[in-house]
Amino acid sequence: EVQLVESGGGLVQPGGSLKLSCAASGFTFSGSAMHWVRQASGRGLEWVGRIRSKANSYATAYAASVKGRFTISRDDSENTAYLQMNSLKAEDTAVYFCTRSDITFDYWGQGTLVTVSS
Amino acid sequence: QTVVTQEPSLTVSPGGTVTLTCASSTGAVTSGYYPNWFQQKFGQAPRALIYSTSNKHSWTPARFSGSLLGGKAALTLSGVQPEDEAEYYCLLYYGGAWVFGGGTKLTVL
Repeated sequence: EVQLVESGGGLVQPGGSLKLSCAASGFTFSGSAMHWVRQASGRGLEWVGRIRSKANSYATAYAASVKGRFTISRDDSENTAYLQMNSLKAEDTAVYFCTRSDITFDYWGQGTLVTVSS
Repeated sequence: QTVVTQEPSLTVSPGGTVTLTCASSTGAVTSGYYPNWFQQKFGQAPRALIYSTSNKHSWTPARFSGSLLGGKAALTLSGVQPEDEAEYYCLLYYGGAWVFGGGTKLTVL
């Protein structure tokens, strides 16, 4: 059974940093691209970024709204993807989901809540 | 900035048919945008329905179908069920980055 479990969310002050994790199981993690998607309360989905597999040079891409502040990485030995968030702003407050694959986005985690507030 | 536009809301009667569309500010949507469709109910993670325009996942009910229609990506629900009431999002590929539409709130009434 494919499972994606996000963790690491919480309350952080504006300008602060937070690192989210996405633990994967039930599939060949090392061969899959991993994406992060966020959703502010009452709002729509926003694609945040992705990291491809080692075979695709671990290539990353980001939404303009987070480029330069967020970094996606992965540890294939731990079957885990990460989202490092720096210089956080109030508008980054959202539930953050991880999802796999470059085309199908078939499986999603339950999300982890990040609140940026003083 | 690229904008992906969906109908904000649609209403359909049980057993009816409804088509949701997904337009790109850059022009006509083609298969090269790899349109994806997702269903989301309140408090839940999105659920994948369609990928690469018209391909269904193993769990996608047969009443859901994806296509290209008039320069847009489209999701058609035929024989709508009460449990289809939800928010629906499309997702398009822009050469490295992906962009979600704003979502369509589908009411079954």
